[in-house]
Amino acid sequence: DIQLTQSPSTLSASVGDRVTITCRASQSVITWLAWYQQKPGKGPKLLISDTSTLESGVPSRFSGSGSGTEFTLTIRSLQPDDSATYYCQHYNSYLFGGGTKVEIK
Amino acid sequence: QVQLVESGGGLVQPGRSPRLSCAASGFTFSAYAMHWVRQAPGKGLEWVAVVAYDGSNKDYADSVKGRFTISRDNSKRTMYLQMNSLRAEDTAVYYCARLGEKRGFDYWGQGTLVTVSS
Repeated sequence: DIQLTQSPSTLSASVGDRVTITCRASQSVITWLAWYQQKPGKGPKLLISDTSTLESGVPSRFSGSGSGTEFTLTIRSLQPDDSATYYCQHYNSYLFGGGTKVEIK
Repeated sequence: QVQLVESGGGLVQPGRSPRLSCAASGFTFSAYAMHWVRQAPGKGLEWVAVVAYDGSNKDYADSVKGRFTISRDNSKRTMYLQMNSLRAEDTAVYYCARLGEKRGFDYWGQGTLVTVSS
């Protein structure tokens, strides 16, 4: 079975910082990876599909890249509204990564 | 606009068999596969089950296989999760989600909390 490992599990950064979250798969998932943002008490929101396709309405400061077993979600200039937990997901297995909590300093 | 509204959660005794519902509106429900995803308190997301657009195919996480049954009624625009033989570790917020055309889960409900406790 595929496993998805996200790192770090928590990060703290300042407004305006560039933030990178990594998702590593135990075997190749091609580019079949999505990223979600979840805020407390809310359902997740799809940010990126197919590794790098930004969903409609998602700010352009978010971007995704990678292939095979290593993927990244980058927030180019962190904003206060980006405080949330981020999850990667492999399509075929529907498996989620463990999550990365992003806090604003 | 697309809306997914879960219901049926609450405090449930171990071994009981509640049924969750997910009412859909704002899109052609019968054209989309639908999923249940759960989140234990303070934990990450765990995929639970999927049902094809027409109900013909279903799949389950190993943790619920043989105990939970997913189904849908396209005439009522509603998906269900029949939960049997509940255990304390099934305590979670249960979300329904739509499988989008780009294969991510593009719409989610607000979730319904199921607490399994005597």
